[in-house]
Amino acid sequence: DAKTTQPTSMDCAEGRAANLPCNHSTISGNEYVYWYRQIHSQGPQYIIHGLKNNETNEMASLIITEDRKSSTLILPHATLRDTAVYYCIVRYVNNAGNMLTFGGGTRLMVKP
Amino acid sequence: KAGVTQTPRYLIKTRGQQVTLSCSPISGHRSVSWYQQTPGQGLQFLFEYFSETQRNKGNFPGRFSGRQFSNSRSEMNVSTLELGDSALYLCASSLMGQGPNEQFFGPGTRLTVL
Repeated sequence: DAKTTQPTSMDCAEGRAANLPCNHSTISGNEYVYWYRQIHSQGPQYIIHGLKNNETNEMASLIITEDRKSSTLILPHATLRDTAVYYCIVRYVNNAGNMLTFGGGTRLMVKP
Repeated sequence: KAGVTQTPRYLIKTRGQQVTLSCSPISGHRSVSWYQQTPGQGLQFLFEYFSETQRNKGNFPGRFSGRQFSNSRSEMNVSTLELGDSALYLCASSLMGQGPNEQFFGPGTRLTVL
């Protein structure tokens, strides 16, 4: 699976949009971009995933650049409960299983 | 729908002992994966089971093993515990064994080895 690069930490004001970048310059055509987050002392939580097109769900939006070498997770109106470590994962999807390779992630601190 | 459950939530063992952790996936999910999380190494994949067969295995010694039962429940076992095995052990389940599906994680079992 392709390696990802994320900033170690970010701050965001409550109520503002949080934009979390991820670089995956070696991504291949069969690899999806996934985002998970982990709130302190809990198991990771799935947020969203995409292949080429931008995606949106009730939690967030995922913007993938046209060359697919980077992406941005957008939390439109961050709340204090969004304080967590956010992991960007690139995964080759085939019939060989569901293994996820986690990097260091971005520690997002939402401040009042 | 109940989420992924893991038992026990907390466990204290001493070096040399063995431990068995249990994971019950979301009803209908057939894939179960295990991860170890430590402050130094982060989240690392241990192994994945699908339909009672181990499909993938991470880079862990043979002291770490697992199995899956016909009802998809899974157990992992660590023998001859070492201090470095102290970690949060997470289980995740998926509906399908392939494709771009999401994984649902349990709350984890925090193992402390003294």
